[in-house]
This record gives sequence, C-alpha cells and structure tokens, in this order.
Amino acid sequence: SQQGEEDPQALSIQEGENATMNCSYKTSINNLQWYRQNSGRGLVHLILIRSNEREKHSGRLRVTLDTSKKSSSLLITASRAADTASYFCATDTNSGGSNYKLTFGKGTLLTVNP
Amino acid sequence: DADVTQTPRNRITKTGKRIMLECSQTKGHDRMYWYRQDPGLGLRLIYYSFDVKDINKGEISDGYSVSRQAQAKFSLSLESAIPNQTALYFCATSGFGGLTDTQYFGPGTRLTVL
Repeated sequence: SQQGEEDPQALSIQEGENATMNCSYKTSINNLQWYRQNSGRGLVHLILIRSNEREKHSGRLRVTLDTSKKSSSLLITASRAADTASYFCATDTNSGGSNYKLTFGKGTLLTVNP
Repeated sequence: DADVTQTPRNRITKTGKRIMLECSQTKGHDRMYWYRQDPGLGLRLIYYSFDVKDINKGEISDGYSVSRQAQAKFSLSLESAIPNQTALYFCATSGFGGLTDTQYFGPGTRLTVL
C-alpha cells in the first residue's frame, strides 16, 4: 500500500489564489519530499523537509510537517497558470540497514485557471 | 544536456516481445531507480540499485529484470511484454547519503504493449 496519500485528488483554482495540498503517511519517516510533474513528464523535486523541521519555505512554496499527525501540507501562494501540474509527496522508508528508498503517493492534480 | 536521459521516449510493441529501456545519467550518482506510473496509481518502484553490484527488487518487480552496466547506466528489460505493462516508465537517480536524497528523474518512456 502507499506510504503517502495526497488529498485532495484534484484541485481547481483561479490564478492568484492559494493552493493547499495535504499528504498523510503511515510510518515514521526521516524526511518528506514534494515533487511536481507536468503532464506526461518526469518529476521535479520541489522541497524536502526533515522530521525535526516543522515548516520550510522556498519561494512561493510553504511546506509544513506534523509528525504527531503523520501529515504534511504544501501551500502554493499566488498561484499562476504555469503551476498547473500534479504534485506528489514522497516519504522515505527503510529498505534494510542504512538504505532508504522513497515511496510516492498518488498525487494531487492542480489546475490553475487563468 | 539533460542529466538523466531515457531511450526510447516512446515505444509500441506486441505481446511476447522482449523490450529494453535504457537510462543514462551524468550526475555521478551511485543510486538509480526504475519506476512505472499508471493513471491513478502514482509511481511504483520496480527495481533499484545503490551501486553497480547492488540491485534490489521493488514492490512490482515481477515480469521485469534490470542490468547495471556501469555507474551511469541502468537498463530495464521486459522479457516477454504483456498488455498490462503498458505504462509510463521513469528512471531516477540520487546521490549517496545514508538518508534518502532528492531524486532526479528522466523524461520518461511511454510504453504501449498491444
């Protein structure tokens, strides 16, 4: 089963509005990452937040992490049409010893209307 | 030039054919991954390699095999393709760090099995 689950599955907003996407996960993590995917293309890393961090900013992106609730949110402020994409959270899971791998959620499809 | 390249970008093949998807990277990373993406299912890990001599199965390895020819090259093979292997396939890389690093994705290969 997926470690991370995004909510909502789809979100449609007007340009200039803020977009908030949520991610819930099941087991303890070392870090959580958010990726963006334009239609049919490769994923691009947006931001990484470590388990001992509660909030992180990068440009118009703000990520929060609540390890007690096993949840994270991605806020995109002042959205633009170019922000239209799918957004995925990814959590690290231990695959043995010191080796970790990422488990991706199913994604939130964000549509920003001009 | 792109850091992670995949060939071919698109492929249509018939049931029972052997198919190889290739991935090359110029990032100097030790770790490489193969994922498949299906609509509504997010990304699922097929195989991953933490160095040339270390190859591991992911969550959906049945029907697939891999070869790590060099640090920079990681190939995915479908020995006998079947229609439910129709999907978008991504290669990714990450640096060595103990804890999970950011992953860098290739542009994807769209595979259709008829």
